[in-house]
Amino acid sequence: AQSVTQLGSHVSVSEGALVLLRCNYSSSVPPYLFWYVQYPNQGLQLLLKYTSAATLVKGINGFEAEFKKSETSFHLTKPSAHMSDAAEYFCAVSEGSSYKLIFGSGTRLLVRP
Amino acid sequence: SAVISQKPSRDICQRGTSLTIQCQVDSQVTMMFWYRQQPGQSLTLIATANQGSEATYESGFVIDKFPISRPNLTFSTLTVSNMSPEDSSIYLCSGVELAAFFGQGTRLTVV
Repeated sequence: AQSVTQLGSHVSVSEGALVLLRCNYSSSVPPYLFWYVQYPNQGLQLLLKYTSAATLVKGINGFEAEFKKSETSFHLTKPSAHMSDAAEYFCAVSEGSSYKLIFGSGTRLLVRP
Repeated sequence: SAVISQKPSRDICQRGTSLTIQCQVDSQVTMMFWYRQQPGQSLTLIATANQGSEATYESGFVIDKFPISRPNLTFSTLTVSNMSPEDSSIYLCSGVELAAFFGQGTRLTVV
């Protein structure tokens, strides 16, 4: 069975500061990993994905994530937070290319002026 | 990337009634899924919508409650049957094209 754990239901950073959102996964088979962002009253937008190629994945809006198999982690980072980054972020895992997603509980990112 | 249009975007329904949600993709996709997002919570997979055959439901979800149709590779519907207030959620359709992408969701309130 697969699972995803996102540490921290809320993360608050100052504008311009580093963003780090944590995600750990459990999977019995090589996983595909994803980060999605959800703005208020909207659907989910894909930020980036890992599908067994390069372990450092660059996504949209300046975000990137690194797949670390030894740590079963896929943390999301951005060097400098912008006010527009305030949203809910979800980490998700699928069994390879099944794309049946198991989501983490989400992390709400707050950006202080 | 492909775009999903989902209708209705929101609805308020009486308990005991049913609502059908439509999901239209602007290109053919091999896989489509339906998810539920309960208030303040994460997303849970309801089922895989299989083209031309019965949907595959996840544990805790049954066809009688959530019948799903997928007549072709661009369209699917989810019906929420015999609704109760506990069905109040956001329902999201997902299609797969190199990654899973989502519609805007249907915000359902059952009163």
